[in-house]
Amino acid sequence: DAGVIQSPRHEVTEMGQEVTLRCKPISGHDYLFWYRQTMMRGLELLIYFNNNVPIDDSGMPEDRFSAKMPNASFSTLKIQPSEPRDSAVYFCASSLARPFYNEQFFGPGTRLTVL
Amino acid sequence: AQKITQTQPGMFVQEKEAVTLDCTYDTSDPSYGLFWYKQPSSGEMIFLIYQGSYDQQNATEGRYSLNFQKARKSANLVISASQLGDSAMYFCGMGQAGTALIFGKGTTLSVSS
Repeated sequence: DAGVIQSPRHEVTEMGQEVTLRCKPISGHDYLFWYRQTMMRGLELLIYFNNNVPIDDSGMPEDRFSAKMPNASFSTLKIQPSEPRDSAVYFCASSLARPFYNEQFFGPGTRLTVL
Repeated sequence: AQKITQTQPGMFVQEKEAVTLDCTYDTSDPSYGLFWYKQPSSGEMIFLIYQGSYDQQNATEGRYSLNFQKARKSANLVISASQLGDSAMYFCGMGQAGTALIFGKGTTLSVSS
């Protein structure tokens, strides 16, 4: 299996621009997670999906952030408009059932820099 | 509220020695899972080991073992026979059904020859 795939791996954009991060989970996994990692706040869960349905988005910072999972093999995290404080590494992870009692497989991450 | 605490920002160990990375947690739910992940300088998150709250025995995976002390709410990671490749950031995490998976701030481990 190819593992969790994220694109792009690096993104540099200017403040105010729209940013879209993409994730392809491991085939057959029915949970998908979006995390953000910063030096100040560490690793934070933003949102997670079960069977393509958002279950908990309480970690989404504000309305500028949105996430979708139109099908079992694809998810997007969108930031519009982007701000310098959104600069971080964004990880996508997937899990096969009972994700809080089993390993979550992380993608390589997208390093976002907002100038 | 659930919380994970890793009190050691940095640890130093020599090759072939054992090292313990501390993790304490706080939850009122009797059912939870505890995880350790490794993050090398390349940035990826690598799963190391898992312990369920109802597991009677401490989890082990090769050179990694989890010293689970439920009454003390601690889940320390023990790495035996450290290798240079073990130099990385290590994160302790806790998961509970219906709530977010949370991580500690991490501990940076440096292994020297």
